[in-house]
Amino acid sequence: AQKITQTQPGMFVQEKEAVTLDCTYDTSDQSYGLFWYKQPSSGEMIFLIYQGSYDEQNATEGRYSLNFQKARKSANLVISASQLGDSAMYFCAMRGIYNQGGKLIFGQGTELSVKP
Amino acid sequence: DAEITQSPRHKITETGRQVTLACHQTWNHNNMFWYRQDLGHGLRLIHYSYGVQDTNKGEVSDGYSVSRSNTEDLPLTLESAASSQTSVYFCASSESRVQETQYFGPGTRLLVL
Repeated sequence: AQKITQTQPGMFVQEKEAVTLDCTYDTSDQSYGLFWYKQPSSGEMIFLIYQGSYDEQNATEGRYSLNFQKARKSANLVISASQLGDSAMYFCAMRGIYNQGGKLIFGQGTELSVKP
Repeated sequence: DAEITQSPRHKITETGRQVTLACHQTWNHNNMFWYRQDLGHGLRLIHYSYGVQDTNKGEVSDGYSVSRSNTEDLPLTLESAASSQTSVYFCASSESRVQETQYFGPGTRLLVL
């Protein structure tokens, strides 16, 4: 069975500092994708970053980077230079080709609070 | 710009009533999904569709149905609303490949009294 685990229910970070949100996953698929989504208090789900299982380089999108360690089955999100607007719920998700038509399996989420 | 919309954004209904939540995407994506989000459970898949006339059950499909008559729309029907179906419902769509991002609609908050 596929599973995503986010072990940090809540995190605090000082504005302008970097923060790492943890995500570990379990799958028997060889080909899969890992995603991070942001959900602010307004409720929408915003795609942040994607990492493919065969990608050799860690994905980066602006201030977001994904620290992908395949052997350890981890896909941590790093946010550099935190901003107040980064305060939100963050979800790690996985999608495998054999997983019910490519549905996303989500973790429980980490609530990030950025302090001024 | 391509987008995915949901309507209504908020809905209050009574136990036993039939409710339909609309989802419309202009990405021309084959795959469409319905999830529900509840505290303590994260997002869970209700139904999904690979294309027109195709529908499949997800992990929490009891009490829900979908139909896909065109590429753009995947309405979700609660056949007889129950209080346990009070939730936030998200529609999403994507291309078929594993690396393709799923884009989410804004969500519908449903309260069943």
